[in-house]
Amino acid sequence: GIQVEQSPPDLILQEGANSTLRCNFSDSVNNLQWFHQNPWGQLINLFYIPSGTKQNGRLSATTVATERYSLLYISSSQTTDSGVYFCAYGGATNKLIFGTGTLLAVQP
Amino acid sequence: DAGITQSPRYKITETGRQVTLMCHQTWSHSYMFWYRQDLGHGLRLIYYSAAADITDKGEVPDGYVVSRSKTENFPLTLESATRSQTSVYFCASGWETQYFGPGTRLLVL
Repeated sequence: GIQVEQSPPDLILQEGANSTLRCNFSDSVNNLQWFHQNPWGQLINLFYIPSGTKQNGRLSATTVATERYSLLYISSSQTTDSGVYFCAYGGATNKLIFGTGTLLAVQP
Repeated sequence: DAGITQSPRYKITETGRQVTLMCHQTWSHSYMFWYRQDLGHGLRLIYYSAAADITDKGEVPDGYVVSRSKTENFPLTLESATRSQTSVYFCASGWETQYFGPGTRLLVL
């Protein structure tokens, strides 16, 4: 089956640091989304990005469809960025497959 | 309430009982989804719906039933709850951008 792998599995940062999270997928992509799950469990959509680059404030994302990966950049991290970051891949079907996530802890 | 809501937020039940989790969205999105989230398994798709009266199985559909008579509602029923169905259940709507509800924490004793 299709593999969706995220790295690193966990990450600890000091406030103000930058980070890059990676999502690799094993087939051609029609839909790629990034989500943040906060410590209270709420899932928030960050980006819909099947290709190209998008930016939203301190966050940006890039998907290189031909090489089957996506990156999420977090700059000047804040404690409120803590939580789990998921990528979700959609291929030929109308279903999203979620990666196992990156657990991020930002320390003050 | 605007957005996507789930009820109940917390539920405790016993094995063998039928349980229905409700999901309601106000955006008129065609697509709606049910996921379960478990430690060690991440988020897994149970069922999804492309429109009213159109549903299809996801990765883990066994033991669950869905219906969608109205665009805004997508209930999930556990016909005979089992302990392995203890989980956090999330409903979502939308396609290019999926919006998630707050989740229902279900404990099956």
